[in-house]
Amino acid sequence: AQKITQTQPGMFVQEKEAVTLDCTYDTSDPSYGLFWYKQPSSGEMIFLIYQGSYDQQNATEGRYSLNFQKARKSANLVISASQLGDSAMYFCAMMKPGNQFYFGTGTSLTVIP
Amino acid sequence: KAGVTQTPRYLIKTRGQQVTLSCSPISGHRSVSWYQQTPGQGLQFLFEYFSETQRNKGNFPGRFSGRQFSNSRSEMNVSTLELGDSALYLCASSSRPAENTEAFFGQGTRLTVV
Repeated sequence: AQKITQTQPGMFVQEKEAVTLDCTYDTSDPSYGLFWYKQPSSGEMIFLIYQGSYDQQNATEGRYSLNFQKARKSANLVISASQLGDSAMYFCAMMKPGNQFYFGTGTSLTVIP
Repeated sequence: KAGVTQTPRYLIKTRGQQVTLSCSPISGHRSVSWYQQTPGQGLQFLFEYFSETQRNKGNFPGRFSGRQFSNSRSEMNVSTLELGDSALYLCASSSRPAENTEAFFGQGTRLTVV
């Protein structure tokens, strides 16, 4: 069975600093996709970054990068140069074939000015 | 390119009533999946449709149902509402039947059952 674990319920980071949000996963499928989403208080889930299980390189999207360690089954999100607008809930998710997501419990990030 | 549109944004219903929520995916996307988000249970998968066919269903009672139309718009229906159905309902839109590298969510419908 697929499982996503986010062990940090809440994180604080100083503005302009980098922060790492942890995510570990468990699956027996050889092919899977890992996603990170940001959810502000408005509720919308905003797509941030994707990593495929066969991708050799770590994914990057602007200030977001994914530290993918397949052997350790971890897919940590790194946000560089944090901004006040980054304050939100962050969810790690795995997509199962058939477009079904398994989500972690989320990490609440607060950026301090 | 328009994003995923969910209507209505907010709903207040009484126990025992039924409700229908709508999701219009990104143009060209044929997969729509639905999720329920509550503080206690987090994000849980309801069902997924691709080309008008339900391919997967989560562990929810039969009161939760859905459908997808030929234009890929999807609706979900909840009958005989219970207080515990109060939640944020999110739909996600993808273009392919599998191995998508992107999936976009709507802003959600916040349902309150009183």
